[in-house]
Amino acid sequence: AQSVTQLGSHVSVSEGALVLLRCNYSSSVPPYLFWYVQYPNQGLQLLLKYTTGATLVKGINGFEAEFKKSETSFHLTKPSAHMSDAAEYFCAAFTGGGNKLTFGTGTQLKVEL
Amino acid sequence: EPEVTQTPSHQVTQMGQEVILRCVPISNHLYFYWYRQILGQKVEFLVSFYNNEISEKSEIFDDQFSVERPDGSNFTLKIRSTKLEDSAMYFCASSESMWFNTEAFFGQGTRLTVV
Repeated sequence: AQSVTQLGSHVSVSEGALVLLRCNYSSSVPPYLFWYVQYPNQGLQLLLKYTTGATLVKGINGFEAEFKKSETSFHLTKPSAHMSDAAEYFCAAFTGGGNKLTFGTGTQLKVEL
Repeated sequence: EPEVTQTPSHQVTQMGQEVILRCVPISNHLYFYWYRQILGQKVEFLVSFYNNEISEKSEIFDDQFSVERPDGSNFTLKIRSTKLEDSAMYFCASSESMWFNTEAFFGQGTRLTVV
């Protein structure tokens, strides 16, 4: 069965520092991979997704993620954190054979002055 | 910008009661979904719905649960005889096509508390 693991349920960074949120997947076939963000009292919003092609994917708000098949990873990064980035981030995977996403447990990002 | 709307934002119900969670998907979308997140756990797939029928459901989605698109705009999740372990955040989502072809839009969630 496919699973998605997010290391670190809480990550805290200083404003202006690098953001790195980790996501690993387990799948016998390369999945389609997604990062969603949830701001307080809002729905899940798609940040970026990888389906095929270029392994470095750029998303909204300056975020990007790189698909590394050899490491079964899809880590989310942003060079310089902003206070407005404080939110919960979810990694998710889809391998077909159905119509559902498998989510990780989420990572709460805190940005401090 | 189009959005998925869920009501209510928070629902408290007594164990054994029935609840209906409501969602208004984006108007031109064809696929609809319910997910839930128990506090501290993963977001879990419950059910997908297409062409007025369930296209896929998880093992969580047993006879206690049902979905309906009663009027062409709303998409509802009914939970009969709620249990304490049904307490969770329930997310509705919709998409034009399947996940890998298009973006799925999520609502803000309904927090269900069973007491």
